[in-house]
Amino acid sequence: QKEVEQNSGPLSVPEGAIASLNCTYSDRGSQSFFWYRQYSGKSPELIMFIYSNGDKEDGRFTAQLNKASQYVSLLIRDSQPSDSATYLCAVALIQGAQKLVFGQGTRLTINP
Amino acid sequence: EPEVTQTPSHQVTQMGQEVILRCVPISNHLYFYWYRQILGQKVEFLVSFYNNEISEKSEIFDDQFSVERPDGSNFTLKIRSTKLEDSAMYFCASRRFQETQYFGPGTRLLVL
Repeated sequence: QKEVEQNSGPLSVPEGAIASLNCTYSDRGSQSFFWYRQYSGKSPELIMFIYSNGDKEDGRFTAQLNKASQYVSLLIRDSQPSDSATYLCAVALIQGAQKLVFGQGTRLTINP
Repeated sequence: EPEVTQTPSHQVTQMGQEVILRCVPISNHLYFYWYRQILGQKVEFLVSFYNNEISEKSEIFDDQFSVERPDGSNFTLKIRSTKLEDSAMYFCASRRFQETQYFGPGTRLLVL
């Protein structure tokens, strides 16, 4: 069974601080890693993807990947109240249909 | 910016009835997916579709489910005889080649 694990939270962070979200995955064949944001009752919205070990930055967001440890993380700098949402980690094999396997999601609350 | 669209946004049906959920993927996308999310649970892969055939399906996608691309734009998910446990949010997603998947807004299905 291919699993993606996240701490379900809730994670509470003061406004302006760094929020750190973590994800581990079990399938070593996983090649693509995604972070989606999901507001309550809405669909997943892509924030970032990462394919290679190391860091990838996009604005206030940084994704980090360590394939040896099977670990993906998302850092949100200068957190804003609008960042309050559930953050979904998803992984895919590069081969085949590239279905996404999602974690449970981490609920993040940014406190003004 | 092109978006995946889904209709209806909400569907209420009686147990045992057939439902058809509709999606219009982004026009130049080639790979199409259905996922579902039961309230409070993780997003789960149902089926992927490429080149007019199913490329992968999950254990959830049993004989009660079918997908079709009846024309050049629509992608449908049919549930032949709905059960209470089919109540969920159903998301359509699409992608091009090796790029990321983009999700539609979802159809909330309630089976009574």
